[in-house]
Amino acid sequence: DQQVKQNSPSLSVQEGRISILNCDYTNSMFDYFLWYKKYPAEGPTFLISISSIKDKNEDGRFTVFLNKSAKHLSLHIVPSQPGDSAVYFCAAIQGAQKLVFGQGTRLTINP
Amino acid sequence: GAVVSQHPSRVICKSGTSVKIECRSLDFQATTMFWYRQFPKQSLMLMATSNEGSKATYEQGVEKDKFLINHASLTLSTLTVTSAHPEDSSFYICSARPLHLRETQYFGPGTRLLVL
Repeated sequence: DQQVKQNSPSLSVQEGRISILNCDYTNSMFDYFLWYKKYPAEGPTFLISISSIKDKNEDGRFTVFLNKSAKHLSLHIVPSQPGDSAVYFCAAIQGAQKLVFGQGTRLTINP
Repeated sequence: GAVVSQHPSRVICKSGTSVKIECRSLDFQATTMFWYRQFPKQSLMLMATSNEGSKATYEQGVEKDKFLINHASLTLSTLTVTSAHPEDSSFYICSARPLHLRETQYFGPGTRLLVL
């Protein structure tokens, strides 16, 4: 049972444009969501998070939007840079318990 | 930001031997550490949750006698792969949850295990 889904395995965006990564979840009890960035053969790096009581959180070039009614969240990166090329995982957590990860989306930023 | 280290970063061993992987939180204390496994082109799979001073909680399908976890202090957890076999070859990643940030986990750089 995949409770957190990232339906796009890959995404290609031109440098300078906006990258939008999407994530859907099924468990309405999730109360905290996180985005991680991962390079090959490295551990994930925390990017940004959002509590379920909010609908938007912004940190520099990264903004996460949460639509609770649709059980959907998205990560916006603007402007996209070549160094943003990596695999992005969304994750959800319920009551400070374990993280549940999506399958990841490979983002490629083209110069 | 918070730093989590893993040692070794890469290990090659013979089938039947045991391998120990260390996970340390360098600049914060963590009562809870997590061990993940990642297969190629797949998501991270949680193996077990490690709580300082108590037994680890294993996810369904993960053999606790195969993957021994010890969380001896607030900054150190170890994963021992016992009697390793080629199918245990994988990328093992730990994470640590700071005492003061219950939702956030910081990840180590991972350990690549190759069992010949």
